Amino acid sequence: AQKITQTQPGMFVQEKEAVTLDCTYDTSDPSYGLFWYKQPSSGEMIFLIYQGSYDQQNATEGRYSLNFQKARKSANLVISASQLGDSAMYFCAMRPDSSASKIIFGSGTRLSIRP
Amino acid sequence: DSGVTQTPKHLITATGQRVTLRCSPRSGDLSVYWYQQSLDQGLQFLIQYYNGEERAKGNILERFSAQQFPDLHSELNLSSLELGDSALYFCASSPRGSGSSNEQYFGPGTRLTVT
Repeated sequence: AQKITQTQPGMFVQEKEAVTLDCTYDTSDPSYGLFWYKQPSSGEMIFLIYQGSYDQQNATEGRYSLNFQKARKSANLVISASQLGDSAMYFCAMRPDSSASKIIFGSGTRLSIRP
Repeated sequence: DSGVTQTPKHLITATGQRVTLRCSPRSGDLSVYWYQQSLDQGLQFLIQYYNGEERAKGNILERFSAQQFPDLHSELNLSSLELGDSALYFCASSPRGSGSSNEQYFGPGTRLTVT
């Protein structure tokens, strides 16, 4: 079965601290892509970062990095130096090659940054 | 701003009615995807079009249909609406039709409320 699991429904973090959002996945496909999206209260889905299953290095995009541990099937998102504007829902997603187009989303983690 | 546009932003209608949601992909993107986000089902993939042709189908009801026009914009038609169809409907676009690295850029969504 193809599945994404996000076990943290909600998190509170102090501003300027780093935060790790957990994500584990399940797929039998040898090739797949992993994504993180941010959904602020306004509702839009914002693409943050991508990691390919064959990428040797962890992906980074500014303050976002993806801690990819293939053997553990985990793809945690790390946000460094959190800001108030980081408060949002965060979705981990996977796209196995065999699924052609379908991106499978996790249930999301609501991150709240405290001033 | 992802470059994907969706209209209308909000839509309120009654049960049994029919509505059409519109999406314009990012310039140069050939694929359009439709997703439904509801509180109880999370983010669900509905359907994908690539360069005018249906490429993949997900959890799309028979009462729903979509198409992609020669100018690559897409419409999602929802008919015989039920209260449970109330949700946020996202359109996303990507340059290619498939591939695990084919990240999707989401539009701002259309919030549909069925009363």
